[in-house]
Amino acid sequence: AQKITQTQPGMFVQEKEAVTLDCTYDTSDQSYGLFWYKQPSSGEMIFLIYQGSYDEQNATEGRYSLNFQKARKSANLVISASQLGDSAMYFCAMRGMNTGNQFYFGTGTSLTVIP
Amino acid sequence: DGGITQSPKYLFRKEGQNVTLSCEQNLNHDAMYWYRQDPGQGLRLIYYSQIVNDFQKGDIAEGYSVSREKKESFPLTVTSAQKNPTAFYLCASSIGGLAGKTQYFGPGTRLTVL
Repeated sequence: AQKITQTQPGMFVQEKEAVTLDCTYDTSDQSYGLFWYKQPSSGEMIFLIYQGSYDEQNATEGRYSLNFQKARKSANLVISASQLGDSAMYFCAMRGMNTGNQFYFGTGTSLTVIP
Repeated sequence: DGGITQSPKYLFRKEGQNVTLSCEQNLNHDAMYWYRQDPGQGLRLIYYSQIVNDFQKGDIAEGYSVSREKKESFPLTVTSAQKNPTAFYLCASSIGGLAGKTQYFGPGTRLTVL
């Protein structure tokens, strides 16, 4: 079975500081993908970053990076130089090769950026 | 522009009525999904479809029904059997069978039962 765990219901960060949002996963698949999404108060889900299970380097997309530790089964999202517009819910998700088309989501972390 | 559209954005329903939420995509994606989100909660999978004329139940399929007659369309019907249908509903699509491909989401429909 696939499972995603996000243990931080809410986080606060000072503007311009970096913040790490935690995500751990459990899967029996050898090949899988890990994703992070941002959901502002408007409700839309915005894809941020992807990490493949066989990727040797951590993924980066602008101010977003993914700290991938395969042995620990963790895929933490790091947001550098936080901006007020980063205040939102953040969801970690996984898609396994053996489960093909089904995505598994964590419960999310609410991030608030303080001016 | 390619993307996913959901309509309506807001929907109000009386108790005991069925209601259908629309989801259309022009991304040529094989797989489509419906999720339910309650306030302050994560996404729960209702149904998903990997190809036309085929769909599978997710974790909370009771009280919902779907159809997939066309690749572009995956409407969700919330039936009167759904005990607590007030929620935010998100439709998504993805390229099928590839673990490295993300889902793309529509803007969502907020359903309120009066």
